[in-house]
Amino acid sequence: AQTVTQSQPEMSVQEAETVTLSCTYDTSESDYYLFWYKQPPSRQMILVIRQEAYKQQNATENRFSVNFQKAAKSFSLKISDSQLGDAAMYFCAYNRGGATNKLIFGTGTLLAVQP
Amino acid sequence: KAGVTQTPRYLIKTRGQQVTLSCSPISGHRSVSWYQQTPGQGLQFLFEYFSETQRNKGNFPGRFSGRQFSNSRSEMNVSTLELGDSALYLCASSLRPGPGTDTQYFGPGTRLTVL
Repeated sequence: AQTVTQSQPEMSVQEAETVTLSCTYDTSESDYYLFWYKQPPSRQMILVIRQEAYKQQNATENRFSVNFQKAAKSFSLKISDSQLGDAAMYFCAYNRGGATNKLIFGTGTLLAVQP
Repeated sequence: KAGVTQTPRYLIKTRGQQVTLSCSPISGHRSVSWYQQTPGQGLQFLFEYFSETQRNKGNFPGRFSGRQFSNSRSEMNVSTLELGDSALYLCASSLRPGPGTDTQYFGPGTRLTVL
């Protein structure tokens, strides 16, 4: 069975600084998708970034980028120039691909941004 | 375009009762997934529907059921409520199953409290 592990329950970063959130996963599939979702206090889950396993290039969305290491089954999220609005719970999620939207989530990392 | 809507937003029930939660996907979206979020178990997949057919079911007891209507709206039902069913129930929609080209959008959730 596929699993997703986030080993950092909480992280803190100063405004304008850079922070990296860690995620590892386990799967026997070769093609799959990985995601980072943000859940602010409003509880609305928002997609931050996605990565297709068959793509070697790391995904980037503005200040958010990932370091995808397929062999190591590692998928970390880097937030550059952190802003107060980045404070939220961040979830790493796995999808095995094909015709399903089923996501397997990690336990989340609560990110605090200090002014 | 309106987002995913979930009703009601908050619900209080007592043990033994049953509850029905509703999810209206984004217009044109035909795939709906449900997740349960609790502090202890985290985010867990409940079901996935596409074109009124359940395509995937998570590891939940038979008290949890769902359905999708011809207009793509979905409902989930929990019978004989237990204290452990207290959770945030999230619904997500996309055009069709599979993350290959579509993005899943989440609703704001229904907070269920069982007393």
